[in-house]
Amino acid sequence: GAVVSQHPSWVICKSGTSVKIECRSLDFQATTMFWYRQFPKQSLMLMATSNEGSKATYEQGVEKDKFLINHASLTLSTLTVTSAHPEDSSFYICSAPGPNTGELFFGEGSRLTVL
Amino acid sequence: GENVEQHPSTLSVQEGDSAVIKCTYSDSASNYFPWYKQELGKRPQLIIDIRSNVGEKKDQRIAVTLNKTAKHFSLHITETQPEDSAVYFCAASEASGGSYIPTFGRGTSLIVHP
Repeated sequence: GAVVSQHPSWVICKSGTSVKIECRSLDFQATTMFWYRQFPKQSLMLMATSNEGSKATYEQGVEKDKFLINHASLTLSTLTVTSAHPEDSSFYICSAPGPNTGELFFGEGSRLTVL
Repeated sequence: GENVEQHPSTLSVQEGDSAVIKCTYSDSASNYFPWYKQELGKRPQLIIDIRSNVGEKKDQRIAVTLNKTAKHFSLHITETQPEDSAVYFCAASEASGGSYIPTFGRGTSLIVHP
């Protein structure tokens, strides 16, 4: 099946710094990718939809200047958490629709800890 | 937009028992209903899905039923095993033009006791 790879799997950073998370579709092209935030024992909260070659679509309440999304190629989307603060600490996970069906393929997730 | 409610939030069963997780959705235009399983520390993975043109689908010990009129769908796991322990998410979406944005339920933590 299709594979989505996410990197890094975990990152610790100081408050005020920026962190970039990459999401790659390894064996298929993804014109659309989704970025989620997941709190412990909670659901997947959609943050934004990443569209190749155009601006991302952000969900209500998600600051686009805080969470920068770039989808520069058909296989790569990046999420940059700018000027990170402790409240940004969370599990971030990306996904992409598979090539033939409606199935979503998820990355491994990235656990961000902001000190 | 779509709103998906999922119950229960936690489900504890004995090995061998059946488990049922229920979801309701609000948008009558939704026509694709996948279920994802997320084991601790791992990524969610699709375990079964159903489209609005069928009422039931089964895959070994897992089955999903859909009632379009009532706007609810359920996941049924029979003969549960400890390895079924995980968080299960339902989702609903309108699949159109090859793309869609699913709305997820809040998840059900299933615990299967040996």
